[in-house]
Amino acid sequence: GDSVTQTEGLVTLTKGLPVMLNCTYQTTYSPFLFWYVQHLNEAPKLLLKSSTDNKRTEHQGFYATLHKSSSSFHLQKSSVQLSDSALYFCALSPMSNYNVLYFGSGTKLTVEP
Amino acid sequence: EAAVTQSPRNKVTVTGGNVTLSCRQTNSHNYMYWYRQDTGHGLRLIHYSYGAGNLQIGDVPDGYKATRTTQEDFFLLLELASPSQTSLYFCASRGQGYTEVFFGKGTRLTVV
Repeated sequence: GDSVTQTEGLVTLTKGLPVMLNCTYQTTYSPFLFWYVQHLNEAPKLLLKSSTDNKRTEHQGFYATLHKSSSSFHLQKSSVQLSDSALYFCALSPMSNYNVLYFGSGTKLTVEP
Repeated sequence: EAAVTQSPRNKVTVTGGNVTLSCRQTNSHNYMYWYRQDTGHGLRLIHYSYGAGNLQIGDVPDGYKATRTTQEDFFLLLELASPSQTSLYFCASRGQGYTEVFFGKGTRLTVV
C-alpha cells in the first residue's frame, strides 16, 4: 500500500546549524510529495511540494529534492532559527488516488538558543 | 486565503456519549477530509468526501460516521464515544488534483 516513513520523532538543534529531516515513501506509481509544518497550537500548513524527479524545491529557506530512485524526499535547511521549532510532516498523494493525502508520523524539531 | 472553520474547538464527553464535530469550508473545494492527530501516529485519515452526499472511507474509520450535507459542510459523528477516540481532530479541504490541502484549527476531543 501507500505509506510515508519519517524515522526521527524528535530532533533538537542549536540555532544556526543545518538540519535534515528524513522522509521515505512507498507507492506503486509516480507520487506527489509534500512537506507540511505545524507550529504549536496551530493547523498544519503547506511548506513545499514536488513531483519532479531530482529537482530541488525551495520555500522559506527550506528545500527538498524528490529522488524516485531511493523513494526519498528529505527536508533540509542550511541554518535553523528559533522560529523553525515546529512539527514537520511529510505527506504523499499517490497517483492511484491523488485526492488523498497520506501523512508520516511527523518529526518534532526543537531549535535551542 | 482558504478558510476552514471547525466547531467546537474543545469538547469533553463521557464514554458511550454522542458527539458531532462540525466543519465548514468557504473555498468552493470539492474535497473535504477528517483526520485525527495522535503523538507518534501523525495525521490519520478517518473519512473524506468529494461532494455533497458522497462519503469515502479512510484508513481509521472504525467508530466514526461522517456526512457531507452540502458543498461547504462536513460532519464527523461519534455515536458511542470511547476513550480511544480522545484525540485532536482536523478537518481539511482541497480543490482538484495535487493542490494544497487547507486545514481548520482543530477540535480537541476528550472522552472520559
